[in-house]
Amino acid sequence: AQSVTQPDIHITVSEGASLELRCNYSYGATPYLFWYVQSPGQGLQLLLKYFSGDTLVQGIKGFEAEFKRSQSSFNLRKPSVHWSDAAEYFCAVGAGTNFGNEKLTFGTGTRLTIIP
Amino acid sequence: EAGVTQFPSHSVIEKGQTVTLRCDPISGHDNLYWYRRVMGKEIKFLLHFVKESKQDESGMPNNRFLAERTGGTYSTLKVQPAELEDSGVYFCASSQVRGLTGELFFGEGSRLTVL
Repeated sequence: AQSVTQPDIHITVSEGASLELRCNYSYGATPYLFWYVQSPGQGLQLLLKYFSGDTLVQGIKGFEAEFKRSQSSFNLRKPSVHWSDAAEYFCAVGAGTNFGNEKLTFGTGTRLTIIP
Repeated sequence: EAGVTQFPSHSVIEKGQTVTLRCDPISGHDNLYWYRRVMGKEIKFLLHFVKESKQDESGMPNNRFLAERTGGTYSTLKVQPAELEDSGVYFCASSQVRGLTGELFFGEGSRLTVL
């Protein structure tokens, strides 16, 4: 069974500082990996995804993530956070193009607070 | 283009009552998913429709939950009778293509509080 662990429930970062949100997954084959963000009063929005190829993927809003198979990790990074990045971030894993199994397995989320 | 819309945004009911949540996917999206987040926990898959057919309902917790998608357009999720542990945020998502290569668009969620 697939699973996702986000070890940090809440992170506080100063505006302008760098950010790294951790995500570890468990999956038997090559996973499809995603990061979503939920801002207050909004639905989940896709930040980026990894299917194959280059292990460093670029997303929207200046975010990037690196897939490390040896560590079963897919950490999200941003070099300089903005106050508008305050939100909850979810890592998710899926089984790819298996049409019999199209569900995402999410982590518990990391709430990001930005301080001036 | 309208996104995924969910109604109601918040529902407060008493244990034993019935609640029906509605999801309108993006027009033309055949794939519709329901997910649920219980307070402080992970977002969990409930089920997946392809048009009006249930493709995967392995995440439905029990037979108090009934999902329908008549005509392959909007979907409803009924909880009857509601229990305290059903409280949480119910998310609907839709996508145009099968598999996970297509982007999944989520609604804002329907918050259910069972007292």
